[in-house]
Amino acid sequence: DQQVKQNSPSLSVQEGRISILNCDYTNSMFDYFLWYKKYPAEGPTFLISISSIKDKNEDGRFTVFLNKSAKHLSLHIVPSQPGDSAVYFCAASINTGNQFYFGTGTSLTVIP
Amino acid sequence: GAGVSQSPSNKVTEKGKDVELRCDPISGHTALYWYRQRLGQGLEFLIYFQGNSAPDKSGLPSDRFSAERTGESVSTLTIQRTQQEDSAVYLCASSLFSGGDTQYFGPGTRLTVL
Repeated sequence: DQQVKQNSPSLSVQEGRISILNCDYTNSMFDYFLWYKKYPAEGPTFLISISSIKDKNEDGRFTVFLNKSAKHLSLHIVPSQPGDSAVYFCAASINTGNQFYFGTGTSLTVIP
Repeated sequence: GAGVSQSPSNKVTEKGKDVELRCDPISGHTALYWYRQRLGQGLEFLIYFQGNSAPDKSGLPSDRFSAERTGESVSTLTIQRTQQEDSAVYLCASSLFSGGDTQYFGPGTRLTVL
C-alpha cells in the first residue's frame, strides 16, 4: 500500500526554467514532509522539509508547497540547473513516529 | 569519515545463501534506519534502531531478515536463505535523534540474488 505517491516517473525541463515535482499522500496523519535528491550510485541527500503547520518553505532555489486539504505537496526549483538532474523522492512521517514513507521518485533531467 | 558508510557496495549471491550487510552511521547519531529500494519502487522501510531501545522491526518483510546494532555504533542487516525477490539496493540512514529528524543516507549496497 503506497501511502506516498509520485505519479510522474520522469520530468525534463530546460535550463533556467521552473521544475515542479509533485507528491500526493493518503494518510491524513502525516504532518512532516521531506524531499530528498539522489544521484546515481549515491544515497539520497536531504533537500528541504516542511511541517504541516506551514504551507510553504523556501530555501534558495528550492520551495516546497503543502496543500493539506488536497494531501498534496510540490517541490519547485527555480531556476533549474543541469546539476539538478537527479531522482527526487518525497517522504512523509507522523512526527512522533519512526517510519518515513517514501514515494517512488521522479527522475528530473535539466537540459542545458 | 563524515558520512554514513555501507559495505559492501555490491554483493552478488546465489539463491539460498545468507548475506550480511554493514552500516557505519555518523558518529553521535542515535537513530539508525534500514531501507530497501527494489527496481521501480520507492524506498521501503525495514527496521529502526534508537539508542538502546528495542528496535522497530515492523518493516521487515519476513523472518529471513534480521538486524543488529550494538549501542550507537555499527549495524548489520542479515538476510538468510536469500531469494531472487530480495534483489534490491539496501540503504542505511542515521539521524541525530529520532522522529522527524533529518536522515543522512549511506550510498547503499546493491544486492543481486541469482
